[in-house]
Amino acid sequence: DADVTQTPRNRITKTGKRIMLECSQTKGHDRMYWYRQDPGLGLRLIYYSFDVKDINKGEISDGYSVSRQAQAKFSLSLESAIPNQTALYFCATSDERVTYGYTFGSGTRLTVV
Amino acid sequence: DQQVKQNSPSLSVQEGRISILNCDYTNSMFDYFLWYKKYPAEGPTFLISISSIKDKNEDGRFTVFLNKSAKHLSLHIVPSQPGDSAVYFCAAIYGGSQGNLIFGKGTKLSVKP
Repeated sequence: DADVTQTPRNRITKTGKRIMLECSQTKGHDRMYWYRQDPGLGLRLIYYSFDVKDINKGEISDGYSVSRQAQAKFSLSLESAIPNQTALYFCATSDERVTYGYTFGSGTRLTVV
Repeated sequence: DQQVKQNSPSLSVQEGRISILNCDYTNSMFDYFLWYKKYPAEGPTFLISISSIKDKNEDGRFTVFLNKSAKHLSLHIVPSQPGDSAVYFCAAIYGGSQGNLIFGKGTKLSVKP
């Protein structure tokens, strides 16, 4: 099993719908992150959480919300999806030694039509 | 304002030759730099890192060089192999363990047999 699992892998949804992307990890890491990748724009941070009671906005949090249900679970919600939220979404984890790098999931490809 | 810049969207190299991927940054407070590699349909994977107090770090075929005065780092792959074909992201962090990774836009490396 993968260390960081994202579900679903692919999703097509309609404008205005609420959608949740889920992430679970078996690394035992306290820190979890949600990134978005767009062609030509690299990876941009949406939200991050350093522990279960800690939630922080990243660079592009507008239109998104998150929930840290447990140390191992961090979900990302789009309350009312819009087409420009079409992107590849990655969840990542790390421990406090961030300089050792993050462990990323395989991504969720979301298309909003 | 982009703090981590990868100005070359793509690079093509012959198998066995050296690949040099470049990255520039604007924030002199960055204290750690990392390179990630990403294959299609997979999440990014950590490749190599370097502390701002060093100017070189090697790991097998991969070497990262840091020039703080120029705010420039580069990743050298010698010799390049077809399996190295991927998108490479440069990332930086400041604030030590309280910081988050800031990514560049990526460079797509193609190693031709």
